[in-house]
Amino acid sequence: GIQVEQSPPDLILQEGANSTLRCNFSDSVNNLQWFHQNPWGQLINLFYIPSGTKQNGRLSATTVATERYSLLYISSSQTTDSGVYFCAVSSSGGSYIPTFGRGTSLIVHP
Amino acid sequence: EPEVTQTPSHQVTQMGQEVILRCVPISNHLYFYWYRQILGQKVEFLVSFYNNEISEKSEIFDDQFSVERPDGSNFTLKIRSTKLEDSAMYFCASSERGGVLNEQFFGPGTRLTVL
Repeated sequence: GIQVEQSPPDLILQEGANSTLRCNFSDSVNNLQWFHQNPWGQLINLFYIPSGTKQNGRLSATTVATERYSLLYISSSQTTDSGVYFCAVSSSGGSYIPTFGRGTSLIVHP
Repeated sequence: EPEVTQTPSHQVTQMGQEVILRCVPISNHLYFYWYRQILGQKVEFLVSFYNNEISEKSEIFDDQFSVERPDGSNFTLKIRSTKLEDSAMYFCASSERGGVLNEQFFGPGTRLTVL
């Protein structure tokens, strides 16, 4: 099946800093989502972005499907941004069920 | 904004007992899913459900698992005889569409602890 690698695995920031999270995948995809898992374990939809660029407040995401990666940008980070960020993709050549990466664990210090 | 809801938020059970996890998907969604996340690990797909049938299932979804849509709103996951290794967070998700355009929305999860 498709392989999904996220980097970095861990990230520690001071409040106000910017960051870029990366998701690489091993096959062409027809579906890609970014999620934030908060400290209570809830999975929050951030972006549905199989291609192109989207922005929502301080967050934005870009997927370059031809080069098999997606980036999540967090600007002016806040302590509430802490948690784990997951990328989930569905392969064009296979099932439509998403495969999750192992996530990037983000801690934002005040 | 409509959201997926799950009950209970936390369930503690004894090994060998049956548990039923409940989900109410977003009302106009037609596709339903269960996932699990063992503590500290990634989210894993269990099963997808459409038109009152299982459409896909993973290797994890063996004979001790079953799903049901008993009425027009609820979607349930039953584990017949729980094992210690079933301890995990279980997420329900739903999507309006299937196939390529299935943007999935997740519930808050049920944390299952098997003692």
